Amino acid sequence: QKEVEQNSGPLSVPEGAIASLNCTYSDRGSQSFFWYRQYSGKSPELIMFIYSNGDKEDGRFTAQLNKASQYVSLLIRDSQPSDSATYLCAVRYGGSQGNLIFGKGTKLSVKP
Amino acid sequence: DAGVIQSPRHEVTEMGQEVTLRCKPISGHDYLFWYRQTMMRGLELLIYFNNNVPIDDSGMPEDRFSAKMPNASFSTLKIQPSEPRDSAVYFCASRLAGGPNTGELFFGEGSRLTVL
Repeated sequence: QKEVEQNSGPLSVPEGAIASLNCTYSDRGSQSFFWYRQYSGKSPELIMFIYSNGDKEDGRFTAQLNKASQYVSLLIRDSQPSDSATYLCAVRYGGSQGNLIFGKGTKLSVKP
Repeated sequence: DAGVIQSPRHEVTEMGQEVTLRCKPISGHDYLFWYRQTMMRGLELLIYFNNNVPIDDSGMPEDRFSAKMPNASFSTLKIQPSEPRDSAVYFCASRLAGGPNTGELFFGEGSRLTVL
């Protein structure tokens, strides 16, 4: 059973703080990992992907991958109220053309 | 460039009725996916197509669900007969094959289905 686990939250952080979102996955052979953001009532949109162990930074967002621990995280620095959304972790199974399995998402609330 | 287009955006129907959801993928995309999203189960893959051919329908919950892709620019997801437990948001998504970021799914705005 391929699983992607996330804490459902809600995770509440004050404006300007760092938000840390975590995800674990079950298949040790997985190679590609993605973070999608979904605003309430909207569709998911890709914000970051990571393939290699370590950190990947894009603006205020940093994705971290630890394949040995089967753990992916997303850090959001200087959190803004506009970051309030549900963040979905997705893992690709079955090679480069495989499908994405999504976690149920973590709801983030950034308080002004 | 237009994104993935889904219709209807909202559908309210009674148990036992047939429901048809429609999707137009982004032009040139090779893959088309149908997902269902509920609070309890999250975002679940129902079926996907590659070059109009169904590849994996193992996520389709029951025989009441069927999907077709008669050409590269159109797909349907049909539920017959519908039941209250089918109430969910149904997303269609498409992507290119073999791109540098082959994980990027482009989602439509979803079809919110309510079965009374």
